[in-house]
This record gives sequence, structure tokens and C-alpha cells, in this order.
Amino acid sequence: DQQVKQNSPSLSVQEGRISILNCDYTNSMFDYFLWYKKYPAEGPTFLISISSIKDKNEDGRFTVFLNKSAKHLSLHIVPSQPGDSAVYFCAATPGGSQGNLIFGKGTKLSVKP
Amino acid sequence: DAGVTQSPTHLIKTRGQQVTLRCSPKSGHDTVSWYQQALGQGPQFIFQYYEEEERQRGNFPDRFSGHQFPNYSSELNVNALLLGDSALYLCASSRLARTDTQYFGPGTRLTVL
Repeated sequence: DQQVKQNSPSLSVQEGRISILNCDYTNSMFDYFLWYKKYPAEGPTFLISISSIKDKNEDGRFTVFLNKSAKHLSLHIVPSQPGDSAVYFCAATPGGSQGNLIFGKGTKLSVKP
Repeated sequence: DAGVTQSPTHLIKTRGQQVTLRCSPKSGHDTVSWYQQALGQGPQFIFQYYEEEERQRGNFPDRFSGHQFPNYSSELNVNALLLGDSALYLCASSRLARTDTQYFGPGTRLTVL
């Protein structure tokens, strides 16, 4: 039973437009959520995170929104750049900063020039 | 400053054999976590080592074992290999058992024939 779901295996957007990646979770005990980016032949790289006490967190072009009632979070990238093309993983943990991470299957983002 | 390093890069084994994978954490990090990423899936948490002890463990059989050395480097051992153990094995390091600020290595690709 998947606790963290990324239902879109892939997403294609035009350079300069907004990319929206979605993630749903089932475990109401999750209290900390993270997004990772992964390029081929490299390990995942931390992108942005959000605590369950917040509903939005911004870092430059990246914003994560959390809707606890819907058990849904999304990552917005504005504007999208070709270098953003990668696989994006959503992860969640019930243990705050020390809980083990539960990852989704990932969404492959392609940003076309 | 070297990041997380893993060896070997690739490995081919046959069913029933045993394998040892190695990880050197980022400088200044004292915690190592191991993940298994099967094809088309997100990383799945195997276990975490902190202060040379297994601190947390995911849903993996006892065939998966590990060790952390005084210099914080770590090994992952898998006994009695099965075809289903074929995957990318990722090591991540952090400080003070945190999982919200992990740095991942590039992984070891294990193929079991």
C-alpha cells in the first residue's frame, strides 16, 4: 500500500511557464514533507521542504503548498527552465526531522526550450 | 569538499551470492542511511546508522544488514541474493540522525542474474 503517491509519471512544460507537480499521501501521521530532484546517474538532491504546521514555503523559483485536509501537496516551479528537467520525488515522514522518509515513485519533468 | 561517495558503481552477482556495498559520508556528517530504488520506483528506506548503531530500520528482511565504522563510513551487506534485489542502492548522509537534510550519493547499481 503506497503511502505517498505521485500519480503523474511524467510532465512536459514549455520554458518560462509554470510547472506543477502533485503528490498525495494517506498517512495522517506525516508531519514533514520534502521534494527531491534527481538527474540521471546522480543521487537525489534536496530541493525544498514544508512542515505540517505551514501551508506554504517558498525558495526562489520553487514553492511548495500543503493542503492537510486533502492530504495533498504540490511543487510549483516558476518560471521553468530547461535545467529543471529531472525526476522529482515527493517524500514524507512521521518523525519530523529524524523520521525515516517515505518516497513517492517520482514524476519526470521535461522543460522544452 | 567531497560529497557522499559510494563504491562500487556497478556490480553483477548471481542468485544466492552475498554482496557488500560501501559508503563514505560527506565531511562532517555522522549519520548514514541506506535506500533501495527499484526500477520505476522511489527510494525505499532500508536502515539508518548513527553512533555505530542501527537506529531505524525499514521493512527489509534480515538478509540486509549493515555496519558503521568509527570514521562514520558504512557498509550494506545483502546475503542470499534474489533476483528482486536488483536495484540502485543509495546511501545518504546527514548530521545527528536527521533525515530532513540528507545528502545522497550517486548509488551502486546491483544486478542479480
